[in-house]
Amino acid sequence: EVQLLESGGGLEQPGGSLRLSCAASGFTFSSYVMTWVRQAPGEGLEWVSTISGTDGRTWYADSVKGRFTISRDNSKNTLFLQMNSLRAEDTAIYYCAKVRRDHDVDFDYWGRGTLVTVSS
Amino acid sequence: EIVLTQSPATLSLSPGERATLSCRASQSVSSYLAWYQQKPGQAPRLLIYDASNRATGIPARFSGSGSGTDFTLTISSLEPEDFAVYYCQQRSTWPPITFGQGTRLEIK
Repeated sequence: EVQLLESGGGLEQPGGSLRLSCAASGFTFSSYVMTWVRQAPGEGLEWVSTISGTDGRTWYADSVKGRFTISRDNSKNTLFLQMNSLRAEDTAIYYCAKVRRDHDVDFDYWGRGTLVTVSS
Repeated sequence: EIVLTQSPATLSLSPGERATLSCRASQSVSSYLAWYQQKPGQAPRLLIYDASNRATGIPARFSGSGSGTDFTLTISSLEPEDFAVYYCQQRSTWPPITFGQGTRLEIK
């Protein structure tokens, strides 16, 4: 059974940093592109960042480029999101998601999410 | 950036009725469009991929159609558990991967 479990969220001040993790199980983690999607309170879904399986290619939304870094440790089946220079508008539930197949970037499994709150 | 516009914003129907949700893209996305269902407090769930293919375990009452810029998600006969928010998402041209703003399907 595929499972994705996010952690690392919490309350942080503007300008601060957080590191999110997503522990994956039930599939060959290194074979799949992985993605972070966020959802601000009461709002819709927003794509944040995507990373390829093994060659380290990354992609970012303009809203987080230069502040967030996506990475993965395939030996530990874990996806990360390093979030720096946090802003109030980064407040959201952050979901990690697995792509359905190869580089077909729609998402067949999602974690339950971790809440990030940026406030002074 | 490809913008996806969903309509209506809210759809009020009764169990047993047919639901038709629309997603329009600002430029062609071919058939590279997915639909998700999200219930309160839950993660999104993939329903349809590549415009018309049901994801694993999705009931046959859910169907998708369309290509290019106009897409439809149809729920043939609403069950109580179908009342939720529905999002479309394109993977044709990215980054960025984009989602529609959502349609809330509520009980009338």
